[in-house]
Amino acid sequence: DTEVTQTPKHLVMGMTNKKSLKCEQHMGHRAMYWYKQKAKKPPELMFVYSYEKLSINESVPSRFSPECPNSSLLNLHLHALQPEDSALYLCASSQPRERNYGYTFGSGTRLTVV
Amino acid sequence: QKEVEQDPGPLSVPEGAIVSLNCTYSNSAFQYFMWYRQYSRKGPELLMYTYSSGNKEDGRFTAQVDKSSKYISLFIRDSQPSDSATYLCARISSGSARQLTFGSGTQLTVLP
Repeated sequence: DTEVTQTPKHLVMGMTNKKSLKCEQHMGHRAMYWYKQKAKKPPELMFVYSYEKLSINESVPSRFSPECPNSSLLNLHLHALQPEDSALYLCASSQPRERNYGYTFGSGTRLTVV
Repeated sequence: QKEVEQDPGPLSVPEGAIVSLNCTYSNSAFQYFMWYRQYSRKGPELLMYTYSSGNKEDGRFTAQVDKSSKYISLFIRDSQPSDSATYLCARISSGSARQLTFGSGTQLTVLP
């Protein structure tokens, strides 16, 4: 199994809603990542979990709250988002400390905030 | 200065052409680089990774790093319409967290 599975694929939410994005991998990877990608831009790092501990938070607003319940799962909890938060949210996984080992990305959740 | 800068494109070539995609990087200490391909509405997929200097070949794809000029290139031989996508170069940091920092991406269209 060499996949990173993200759900849902599409999400439309209002600015007062609370929703969660989910990511799952069964490749035994111990690092998991959230990236945000706006149209025609490269992915930008949001959060890194290494061995289930948050190791990097790239100054992301608190309306985004990550959670790593176990080594296979990664969630991103969303609350009080703004329309400018509309983007493709990508989850990825990799092996820590192995630099010649690429990330595996999911297909993303396309989020629209109305 | 951005860590990785990429020729913006877009690039349009006829089928069968050799494609050259290029990036530069800012810090000579960077050692590990990757090329990702991203189709529309999909996540990036890893094409190739390279370390330091030299060439790496995989089928129709060749990745090249020139450490002296801090230049990264991806060559695609015998390009196909199915190669039409956005290509992203990236550097990967050291340490346990291993961050990927992407270039801006080059959109490639291969015309049949």
